[in-house]
Amino acid sequence: DADVTQTPRNRITKTGKRIMLECSQTKGHDRMYWYRQDPGLGLRLIYYSFDVKDINKGEISDGYSVSRQAQAKFSLSLESAIPNQTALYFCATSDSGTPYEQYFGPGTRLTVT
Amino acid sequence: LAKTTQPVSMDSYEGQEVNITCSHNNIATNDYITWYQQFPSQGPRFIIQGYKTKVTNEVASLFIPADRKSSTLSLPRVSLSDTAVYYCLVGYRRGSTLGRLYFGRGTQLTVWP
Repeated sequence: DADVTQTPRNRITKTGKRIMLECSQTKGHDRMYWYRQDPGLGLRLIYYSFDVKDINKGEISDGYSVSRQAQAKFSLSLESAIPNQTALYFCATSDSGTPYEQYFGPGTRLTVT
Repeated sequence: LAKTTQPVSMDSYEGQEVNITCSHNNIATNDYITWYQQFPSQGPRFIIQGYKTKVTNEVASLFIPADRKSSTLSLPRVSLSDTAVYYCLVGYRRGSTLGRLYFGRGTQLTVWP
């Protein structure tokens, strides 16, 4: 089984809808991250969490919210989806001792029409 | 967090050694240098990390000159399966002050038969 899983893998939704992307990890890491990737722009950090009670905004948090339900679960929500949120979304985890050695999930391809 | 500059793309042939250089003129004393690899429609994968001089693992080598303003990822004897985007990342290795991660646009390496 994969160490970092994301659901759904693909999602098409309409403008204005609320959508939640879920991430689970079995690596036992305390840190979790949500990234967004757009063609030609690399990865940009949306939110990150050092533990269940510590959640921080990344560089592009507007329009997104997160919930760390447990050490192993980190969800990303789009409260009211808009077309420019169409992108590939990745969840990642890392150990606090090696924050730059991150393990990524397979990604969720989200399309907002 | 120090920003990085990499070539947008590089081409090589199977069996050749590939060197990808990353510039990070504003690197801070505590910053480490990390490289990731990303295949299409997959999450990035950690390759190697270093602070100074040379680091080698089973996948690649990382060369860092004394001034640390640049670094070179070296891939020995590349194969078609090494075709991917390679990201250079600079930042703190330890501590709870990890903030915005910046992956940049990376270098698209294409290996030809």
